[in-house]
Amino acid sequence: NAGVMQNPRHLVRRRGQEARLRCSPMKGHSHVYWYRQLPEEGLKFMVYLQKENIIDESGMPKERFSAEFPKEGPSILRIQQVVRGDSAAYFCASSLAGFTDTQYFGPGTRLTVL
Amino acid sequence: EDQVTQSPEALRLQEGESSSLNCSYTVSGLRGLFWYRQDPGKGPEFLFTLYSAGEEKEKERLKATLTKKESFLHITAPKPEDSATYLCAVQAEAGNMLTFGGGTRLMVKP
Repeated sequence: NAGVMQNPRHLVRRRGQEARLRCSPMKGHSHVYWYRQLPEEGLKFMVYLQKENIIDESGMPKERFSAEFPKEGPSILRIQQVVRGDSAAYFCASSLAGFTDTQYFGPGTRLTVL
Repeated sequence: EDQVTQSPEALRLQEGESSSLNCSYTVSGLRGLFWYRQDPGKGPEFLFTLYSAGEEKEKERLKATLTKKESFLHITAPKPEDSATYLCAVQAEAGNMLTFGGGTRLMVKP
């Protein structure tokens, strides 16, 4: 499968727990973007990363959310002390040559907070 | 602030009944306008990128056009398998992100 991979596809957490969402970009892509789709809302940009660098985190909530894209391994979106309002679909996208290039999306992780 | 508005929110068509979806945008310098298709429970699937007013792109029954203020996605003789939500997004010259509209949910009945 040469596409963007995300896991888990579905994640259930209780309020106060931590959620870790993983994204493996398309082969050869080194630019990763995270978007969130709240129920009945459109996709909203969260963060843009290159290997080992956060380039733009202007869409990230100031607290509890963090992202990384290490030299080896997938990109991780981490949500600490989840609340019900964090329930959403989280999509990862990747591009080949940076933000001027087409972004290809993964299947998403659906987070449910009980 | 960049804004994207899609209309209609939902569209029901009979198989073979052609129509158009609208995407109006305001952006501080357009780098590109993107169309994606999203099926229920899946991620957006890339369709087209348009860069300048007057540009057109086609793929099977879909044709995307661009003006300075809006884009249209024309669907010719749609089939039930074209049923999906169609998303429009813009990228500003100065930005890294895509700004999405709310989408148009298309339903094509046989």
